[in-house]
Amino acid sequence: QITLKESGPTLVKPTQTLTLTCTFSGFSLSTSGVGVGWIRQPPGKALEWLALIYWNDDKRYSPSLKSRLTITKDTSKNQVVLTMTNMDPVDTATYYCAHSRRSSSTLFDYWGQGTLVTVSS
Amino acid sequence: QLVLTQSPSASASLGASVKLTCTLSSGHSSYAIAWHQQQPEKGPRYLMKLNSDGSHSKGDGIPDRFSGSSSGAERYLTISSLQSEDEADYYCQTWGTGIAVFGGGTQLTVL
Repeated sequence: QITLKESGPTLVKPTQTLTLTCTFSGFSLSTSGVGVGWIRQPPGKALEWLALIYWNDDKRYSPSLKSRLTITKDTSKNQVVLTMTNMDPVDTATYYCAHSRRSSSTLFDYWGQGTLVTVSS
Repeated sequence: QLVLTQSPSASASLGASVKLTCTLSSGHSSYAIAWHQQQPEKGPRYLMKLNSDGSHSKGDGIPDRFSGSSSGAERYLTISSLQSEDEADYYCQTWGTGIAVFGGGTQLTVL
């Protein structure tokens, strides 16, 4: 059974760096083809993809946010970490992590429950 | 540029069927997509992967009432025997040239 869970601060100040952790079970990020991605959703708005890391440490980023994002993995801890620099109130959103497989066209087939991050002074 | 287009809203009566559409941008009609459901105040749930030939594979525990089909650049999600819990936002998603793309979502109202 695949599960993912996001954790991190619920409130950050403008200009600060956000660090979110996705802790997962039921799969290994050392298995060929597996990936974990991050997606966010501002209140009342649509889903927006942020970043994805593959089993082989290949990393992909949203072009519009690439300069602010870093994604890393710790295979031994079954965790993926996303950092986003220079946070702004418009970054207020629920942040989700999700599992994918390259063999399945890198579509997200398991989702975490999400964590709400508010950016405010 | 890879873009997915969805109608903002749809509605159908309890017990009826509804067909939601996701349209791939020009030049991307061969792409597979995923359909995701997001019920109010909940996280997204993967429904299915839908290929260009209409074949699809559903996620864990997804009822038979949910099915997918394709025609050219259009990808469809059909929900039959609508139930109140089907009232949700539905998003399509694809992957291409190293990025993931989501459609803007369709808000389904069950009357």
